[in-house]
Amino acid sequence: AQSVTQPDIHITVSEGASLELRCNYSYGATPYLFWYVQSPGQGLQLLLKYFSGDTLVQGIKGFEAEFKRSQSSFNLRKPSVHWSDAAEYFCAVGASNAGNMLTFGGGTRLMVKP
Amino acid sequence: GAGVSQSPRYKVTKRGQDVALRCDPISGHVSLYWYRQALGQGPEFLTYFNYEAQQDKSGLPNDRFSAERPEGSISTLTIQRTEQRDSAMYRCASSLGAASTYEQYFGPGTRLTVT
Repeated sequence: AQSVTQPDIHITVSEGASLELRCNYSYGATPYLFWYVQSPGQGLQLLLKYFSGDTLVQGIKGFEAEFKRSQSSFNLRKPSVHWSDAAEYFCAVGASNAGNMLTFGGGTRLMVKP
Repeated sequence: GAGVSQSPRYKVTKRGQDVALRCDPISGHVSLYWYRQALGQGPEFLTYFNYEAQQDKSGLPNDRFSAERPEGSISTLTIQRTEQRDSAMYRCASSLGAASTYEQYFGPGTRLTVT
């Protein structure tokens, strides 16, 4: 069975600083990987996804993520954080042989200091 | 266009009561998913449908939980004889197609509190 670990429960960065949120997954085959963002009172919004091909994927709102098979990681990055990026971020893995269900990590709450 | 909607947004119920949570997917979306999210955790898969057929219910915690999607559109998640441990955010998502490569669009969720 697949699993996802987000080692950092909370992260605080200063506005304008760079950001990296860590995600490690466990899955036997090539995974489908996703990052979602959840703002208070909102549903989950997809930031980006990786299925195959180029291991560096670009998403919305200036986010990018890099798939590293050797490290079983899919870390999310942003070069310059804005105050509006404060939210909770979830990494998820999907499997082609398990229907379309997603397995989520526990989430990382991002706080942005002015 | 309209996204996924869920109702009610908040539900407080007494232990032992039955509750029904509704999900309206995006029009035309084939697949519909239910997830449960406890406070401070990520969403956890419960069940999903392609059209009206329930494809996988392996995530339903026990037989007090059931779901249906009789006409392949609106879905209802029912919890019978609610218990305090059922308190959580229940999220619904829909996708245009059944393959894993289709994006899942999430609704705002129903916050269930069992007292």
